Amino acid sequence: DADVTQTPRNRITKTGKRIMLECSQTKGHDRMYWYRQDPGLGLRLIYYSFDVKDINKGEISDGYSVSRQAQAKFSLSLESAIPNQTALYFCATSGTGANVLTFGAGSRLTVL
Amino acid sequence: GQQLNQSPQSMFIQEGEDVSMNCTSSSIFNTWLWYKQEPGEGPVLLIALYKAGELTSNGRLTAQFGITRKDSFLNISASIPSDVGIYFCAGQLPGTASKLTFGTGTRLQVTL
Repeated sequence: DADVTQTPRNRITKTGKRIMLECSQTKGHDRMYWYRQDPGLGLRLIYYSFDVKDINKGEISDGYSVSRQAQAKFSLSLESAIPNQTALYFCATSGTGANVLTFGAGSRLTVL
Repeated sequence: GQQLNQSPQSMFIQEGEDVSMNCTSSSIFNTWLWYKQEPGEGPVLLIALYKAGELTSNGRLTAQFGITRKDSFLNISASIPSDVGIYFCAGQLPGTASKLTFGTGTRLQVTL
């Protein structure tokens, strides 16, 4: 099994729908992240969490929210999806004090 | 937000050729990392650099942490078809804990 598992891997939805992307990890890491990848823009940080009670905004948090349900689980929600949120979303983890990220396989979201 | 300028944006090379790519920034970084992303997968760490001037190899890959701490280079020697993918640099700014800033990626295609 993968160290970082993202579900769903692919999702097509309509404008205005609520969407949740889920991430779970078996690495025992405290720190979890959500990144968004767009062609030509690299990976941009949406939200990050350094432990269960810690949630921080990244550089592009508008239109997104997150929930850290447990050390191993970190979900990303789009309350009302819009077409420019069509992108590839990655969850990642890292150990305390470490700056090496382990990524999941990605969740491709299409908003029509 | 802070961005890393990664070049070239894409490369088409023949099997056996050497490859060079780099990342530059106007800011100083504490750490430089190089990741590779294959189709349908998340980025995977190739090399991590922690000191200015550091030169580190991983098989046919060699990366360097620039002396000014504002740039990094990745070289791939004797390329093979499985080198195909998108290569990302990532840097950690001072005082930003485990948050990484990613470059825009270099897409590498290897022809036989």
